[in-house]
Amino acid sequence: DTGVSQDPRHKITKRGQNVTFRCDPISEHNRLYWYRQTLGQGPEFLTYFQNEAQLEKSRLLSDRFSAERPKGSFSTLEIQRTEQGDSAMYLCASSLAIGGGYGYTFGSGTRLTVV
Amino acid sequence: ELKVEQNPLFLSMQEGKNYTIYCNYSTTSDRLYWYRQDPGKSLESLFVLLSNGAVKQEGRLMASLDTKARLSTLHITAAVHDLSATYFCAVEATSGSRLTFGEGTQLTVNP
Repeated sequence: DTGVSQDPRHKITKRGQNVTFRCDPISEHNRLYWYRQTLGQGPEFLTYFQNEAQLEKSRLLSDRFSAERPKGSFSTLEIQRTEQGDSAMYLCASSLAIGGGYGYTFGSGTRLTVV
Repeated sequence: ELKVEQNPLFLSMQEGKNYTIYCNYSTTSDRLYWYRQDPGKSLESLFVLLSNGAVKQEGRLMASLDTKARLSTLHITAAVHDLSATYFCAVEATSGSRLTFGEGTQLTVNP
């Protein structure tokens, strides 16, 4: 297994356009998380899935953001009508929820620049 | 709402010196994580601390957790330039839910 994969690595888009990011977790991990990190800050939680069910969404996740995890495998995060404030690194992580003693593995991230 | 505070936020130290980074959090939790991040890169897991009194060491880094004080420390021994990075602590409020990160400590080790 090559770890958590994210695509694309970089995305530059014009304000108002829609963008979609993809995350492929570690295959045996049933939990998948999305975080957003702006320059000089720690990552902020956006949402997470257990298998295909979206269990929690942050208040940060406005109605322009939507995430899916069809069939409990890869996940997509879509941002509609992008704004300059959406410029950030979007990080995906996965974990195996077995009741304890597990950790989170992060992907390399997708850096979004809205111009 | 869980809050996580790190200090210092910026740390410049000389090679060979020792120092400690502190991580305080606001609500009960017994799961704390330390990550390293190099500029433009993702997060590399350093330590997972899962109980009160847990202590883990890897090379020149040692992490500990005091759940009663809601405090974790990351101690650096005899720093070397390769340790220059940003270090984050993150707390898990409930098992497997999500992580709340501190602001990070930007460490620079000077020759």
